[in-house]
Amino acid sequence: EAGVTQFPSHSVIEKGQTVTLRCDPISGHDNLYWYRRVMGKEIKFLLHFVKESKQDESGMPNNRFLAERTGGTYSTLKVQPAELEDSGVYFCASSPIGTGLFGNTIYFGEGSWLTVV
Amino acid sequence: GNSVTQMEGPVTLSEEAFLTINCTYTATGYLSLFWYVQYPGEGLQLLLKATKADDKGSNKGFEATYRKETTSFHLEKGSVQVSDSAVYFCALSDRTGNQFYFGTGTSLTVIP
Repeated sequence: EAGVTQFPSHSVIEKGQTVTLRCDPISGHDNLYWYRRVMGKEIKFLLHFVKESKQDESGMPNNRFLAERTGGTYSTLKVQPAELEDSGVYFCASSPIGTGLFGNTIYFGEGSWLTVV
Repeated sequence: GNSVTQMEGPVTLSEEAFLTINCTYTATGYLSLFWYVQYPGEGLQLLLKATKADDKGSNKGFEATYRKETTSFHLEKGSVQVSDSAVYFCALSDRTGNQFYFGTGTSLTVIP
């Protein structure tokens, strides 16, 4: 079974440009999450989809970030316009279990490394 | 709010040495605690977890016990190998299980 896949694995863009990150969750997983790790800091929650609906987007840093999950399958995270402080690793994760279940384990992808110069 | 604090790295050990990576948390209510590991060039993988106080999670020779009285979940391994070189992240989730709080990660290098 394929794991969570993310694309691109690495991206270098200039400040002010737009980048779109894609995540394909494990097949059948209704829950999809985006997390981010800025250099040397902790991994922080960005948002959570249940199927195509945004369940929790409390971690989104500002309105330059837009996440979508059309049809409840893959998800995209767009940063527009990118700023220097957006550099970091963006992790996508998915889970087969519905919300409210204690002890839920989530499965992470390899991450998309974004460098804004 | 919820938070996780883990020991700063990097940590360098010789093969077969004993490993401890400290992790403490601030949170209330029902929690699950996790250790995730990121090997070079790979994604985050679940290493072990514990879902209630005094539970011990274990996997691949690693262990961690959920200690409510000390709000800790320290990771230990009796004899590390070169292949254990990775970044280790302590994390917790609340009762909903949908939002994880991570520590900053501890980089471990094991030398032959």
